[in-house]
Amino acid sequence: SQQGEEDPQALSIQEGENATMNCSYKTSINNLQWYRQNSGRGLVHLILIRSNEREKHSGRLRVTLDTSKKSSSLLITASRAADTASYFCATGGGGGNKLTFGTGTQLKVEL
Amino acid sequence: GAVVSQHPSRVICKSGTSVKIECRSLDFQATTMFWYRQFPKQSLMLMATSNEGSKATYEQGVEKDKFLINHASLTLSTLTVTSAHPEDSSFYICSASDSSSNQPQHFGDGTRLSIL
Repeated sequence: SQQGEEDPQALSIQEGENATMNCSYKTSINNLQWYRQNSGRGLVHLILIRSNEREKHSGRLRVTLDTSKKSSSLLITASRAADTASYFCATGGGGGNKLTFGTGTQLKVEL
Repeated sequence: GAVVSQHPSRVICKSGTSVKIECRSLDFQATTMFWYRQFPKQSLMLMATSNEGSKATYEQGVEKDKFLINHASLTLSTLTVTSAHPEDSSFYICSASDSSSNQPQHFGDGTRLSIL
């Protein structure tokens, strides 16, 4: 299977704290993407980082990519209860190509 | 932003029934659509890739006669679960992509299928 691994599988934090999720993948990539899924809903694209980038920011999100280690991390700063969701990394995609998803991290942000 | 509409959002039906799920791209041409299946607390598993006007490409282990996919237009793809059984109960999600661009895939909101 080409599916990537994410850790932790589940993460529970208090509102205001930072949440860090990690993703490892197996093959060389052109880019890596992070998606969010609220319970019982579809996926929302959060951010894309290209293979020649090491770090990217979008609002409270910070993504890093280490192609030598085939790993990426997603940091959510100053978390809010509304950030409670599952987060998936994915490789591939673009130009009609299929995505391969990681195993996902279930984040719970408590008040 | 780009919107993908998936319908119905929830289906409950008896064993043996065939169920059709629709996936529509509302404001862009979806040259490629993808169908995923997701079990509780698990990741998305790709079932098949469909390109407009051609036969779908199924992933290994997915029965093409069980899961019929049609992608007859640039805005609509359908997944029909034929003669559904309880083991087919799952969350099915579609996504759509304009293969002429490098934009991310856009996902529907999923269909919760429950077979009694």
